[in-house]
Amino acid sequence: DVKVTQSSRYLVKRTGEKVFLECVQDMDHENMFWYRQDPGLGLRLIYFSYDVKMKEKGDIPEGYSVSREKKERFSLILESASTNQTSMYLCASRTPGTDGNTIYFGEGSWLTVV
Amino acid sequence: RKEVEQDPGPFNVPEGATVAFNCTYSNSASQSFFWYRQDCRKEPKLLMSVYSSGNEDGRFTAQLNRASQYISLLIRDSKLSDSATYLCVVINRSARQLTFGSGTQLTVLP
Repeated sequence: DVKVTQSSRYLVKRTGEKVFLECVQDMDHENMFWYRQDPGLGLRLIYFSYDVKMKEKGDIPEGYSVSREKKERFSLILESASTNQTSMYLCASRTPGTDGNTIYFGEGSWLTVV
Repeated sequence: RKEVEQDPGPFNVPEGATVAFNCTYSNSASQSFFWYRQDCRKEPKLLMSVYSSGNEDGRFTAQLNRASQYISLLIRDSKLSDSATYLCVVINRSARQLTFGSGTQLTVLP
């Protein structure tokens, strides 16, 4: 089974702190994604990476950065956390053209910024 | 106009009812389509892919209408356990960008 693991499930951080959210997948997927999900707004793409060291901005990249140094790991970084970044963050991965283009999600990271 | 739009819901239906959701997409280059199910405070999980000819999986039927640019999900004989949010996902021809609908909430009532 494909496994997408988000190591931090529940975090509480203070405004201005630097926050790292880690995501690891074990299926050698090429593409990895970071979304945030808020009530009434659905899933919004923050950044995605289509290969190692490659990244592209999604719809809401402001206030975030990412790192993909290894194929299996995609990190989301909040340089200076703000209260409006309180949300549920979802990591996802896939390889286009394989497995029916299925996207696999991690279990989510619930971040509260106080 | 949003690239992918879903029925806003919520849908509250009695057990045993048949319920249908639609999802419209604006990019005619869209290539792959999926329905995902998301339970409260959980991650989305694949329910079914949507094929051009339509496909069925037990009580669930998915349809694609390319001419009108929408996909649909039909649930027959609703169960309490079907209560969840249903998300449609559209992938464009470049196969890099995934676009999610905002989700339709379904509650099946006893």
